[in-house]
Amino acid sequence: EVQLVESGGGLVQPGGSLRLSCVASGFTFSSYEMNWVRQAPGKGLEWVSYISSSGSTIYYADSVKGRFTIARDNAKNSLYLQMNSLRAEDTAVYYCAREDSTSWYVRWFDPWGQGTLVTVSS
Amino acid sequence: SYELTQDPAVSVALGQTVRITCQGDSLRSYYASWYQQKPGQAPVLVIYGKNNRPSGIPDRFSGSSSGNTASLTITGAQAEDEADYYCNSRDSSGNPYVFGTGTKVTVL
Repeated sequence: EVQLVESGGGLVQPGGSLRLSCVASGFTFSSYEMNWVRQAPGKGLEWVSYISSSGSTIYYADSVKGRFTIARDNAKNSLYLQMNSLRAEDTAVYYCAREDSTSWYVRWFDPWGQGTLVTVSS
Repeated sequence: SYELTQDPAVSVALGQTVRITCQGDSLRSYYASWYQQKPGQAPVLVIYGKNNRPSGIPDRFSGSSSGNTASLTITGAQAEDEADYYCNSRDSSGNPYVFGTGTKVTVL
């Protein structure tokens, strides 16, 4: 079964740091691009970050650029999101999602992990 | 910042047809993908590409696209289709991806 399992969420004070992990199973992790997507309480989905299959290409949403770092360890089938200088507005459920495609103009996210909640509050 | 625009909410009678739209300039160049999200659950892919359904997604879900608008149609809506639906596409303004604002579908 293709599966993604996130961990590492929790309560952190403003200005603090947290590292999220996403462990993949059931597929060849090293062959796939990966993404982090978040959802603030009661709000919609927001794309956060992308990493290519080799880790050589990385993108961030403007809202997290300079504060968050995405990384992967293909030997451990794992994806990470290091979050620094956290703000109240970073409070959200964070999902990891596998990216798949048939061409440059046909791309999608499937599957998604169950999500991990990050709460930034004093 | 760039957005894909969706109607906030639509309702449909049980067994009837509902169409959810997603508008944005990037949809002229890229296909949208569509996700269903039920309360407390992770999003689930329902449509990708021109009109492709992942295995396990009922054939009452279909997709289409014209100009700057992508559409998700549920033909013969069921009670279990009540959920939030989000479109997603490449972002033509800088970020690689952008999600739609989301549509809450209520089945009456």
